[in-house]
Amino acid sequence: EVQLVASGGGLLQRGGSLRLSCAASGFTLSTYAMNWVRQAPGKGLEWVSYISSSGNLTYHADSVKGRFTISRDNAKNSLSLQMNSLRDEDTAVYYCARKSYGSGNYYFDLWGQGTLVTVSS
Amino acid sequence: IQMTQSPSSLSASVGDRVTITCRASQGINNYLAWYQQKPGTVPNLLIYAASTLQSGVPSRFSGSGSGTDFTLTISSLQPEDVATYYCQKYNGSPLSFGGGTKVEIK
Repeated sequence: EVQLVASGGGLLQRGGSLRLSCAASGFTLSTYAMNWVRQAPGKGLEWVSYISSSGNLTYHADSVKGRFTISRDNAKNSLSLQMNSLRDEDTAVYYCARKSYGSGNYYFDLWGQGTLVTVSS
Repeated sequence: IQMTQSPSSLSASVGDRVTITCRASQGINNYLAWYQQKPGTVPNLLIYAASTLQSGVPSRFSGSGSGTDFTLTISSLQPEDVATYYCQKYNGSPLSFGGGTKVEIK
């Protein structure tokens, strides 16, 4: 079955760090660029980070730039998001999402189930 | 580029034609996707390139528009269409979503 499974969420204090993981199965991760998208409780979707299929190109939203780092290990079919200096406004469900194959197709055709990150003071 | 959806919510009867609008603050050609998120589930891609239906999506869904103004239409609303719908522009970084439109059954 083609799927993404996100993990690593939890409850932590403001200023803390957390590393999220996303495991891919049923397809070859190295073929696809990947993203993290988050959704605060009761709110809409916010794109967070992008990484190219090879891992040599990354982009981050201004709201997380300098604090979050996206990375991947194609040999292990996995994606990660290192989150540092966490703020209350980072509280959200974090989804890993696959960019559709093909140049320019920067939309998301496969989503993981999400992992909840709660930042509390 | 800001993406603005309207309305933020709507209530319609089964069988009604439903239209949701998404407006970009600058032209984005046809680099627009639509997603459906049913309660308690992950988003699901419905339409890309403004009007191309993703495989497996019912034909009652359609998209149109180019430049700054886009629409998602459900030709005959079904109970299983209760969801929040999001547009997303993808003509460059940052990728961004509209605020969502919640669709309910009257």
